[in-house]
Amino acid sequence: DTEVTQTPKHLVMGMTNKKSLKCEQHMGHRAMYWYKQKAKKPPELMFVYSYEKLSINESVPSRFSPECPNSSLLNLHLHALQPEDSALYLCASSQVQLAGINEQFFGPGTRLTVL
Amino acid sequence: QQQVKQSPQSLIVQKGGISIINCAYENTAFDYFPWYQQFPGKGPALLIAIRPDVSEKKEGRFTISFNKSAKQFSLHIMDSQPGDSATYFCAASRGGATNKLIFGTGTLLAVQP
Repeated sequence: DTEVTQTPKHLVMGMTNKKSLKCEQHMGHRAMYWYKQKAKKPPELMFVYSYEKLSINESVPSRFSPECPNSSLLNLHLHALQPEDSALYLCASSQVQLAGINEQFFGPGTRLTVL
Repeated sequence: QQQVKQSPQSLIVQKGGISIINCAYENTAFDYFPWYQQFPGKGPALLIAIRPDVSEKKEGRFTISFNKSAKQFSLHIMDSQPGDSATYFCAASRGGATNKLIFGTGTLLAVQP
């Protein structure tokens, strides 16, 4: 299985809602990532988990809360989002960097709209 | 120093032509350079990657050329097809445990039939 899956595909939420994005991989990768991508822009790193521990937080607002319950799952909990948070949220996974190879595999993304 | 500069922003190529996208970096600590292809509404897909110890890598119609002294690398798509129409991102990362990829700004490629 060489796939990263993400659910849901689309999500519409109000500014007072709480929702969660889910990501799963079964490639045995021990590094997992959340990215945010706006239209016509490159992916922007939000969080990195390495061996289920948060290793990088790119100064993301606390209304985004990541969670890595086990080596195959990654969640992103959303609360009190703003309309400017509307974007494609991408999950990726990779081996923990080995000999300079950083081969990240991306999921299809969750298209989030905040009303 | 953390930036990767990508050009052109958009590119139109006739079917069967060669598409060339260029990237430049400043940080000499970068040691892994992948290219990603992204179709609308989809996640980026790893296309091909190179390490700085080689000057060229070819996979099918896709070739990366790497110039370490100039700190530049490029993607060549030979015999471009309409199905290659997508956004292409170059990226770079450096050795260590951070696993952080620095992406270029992207090139929107349109291959006309």
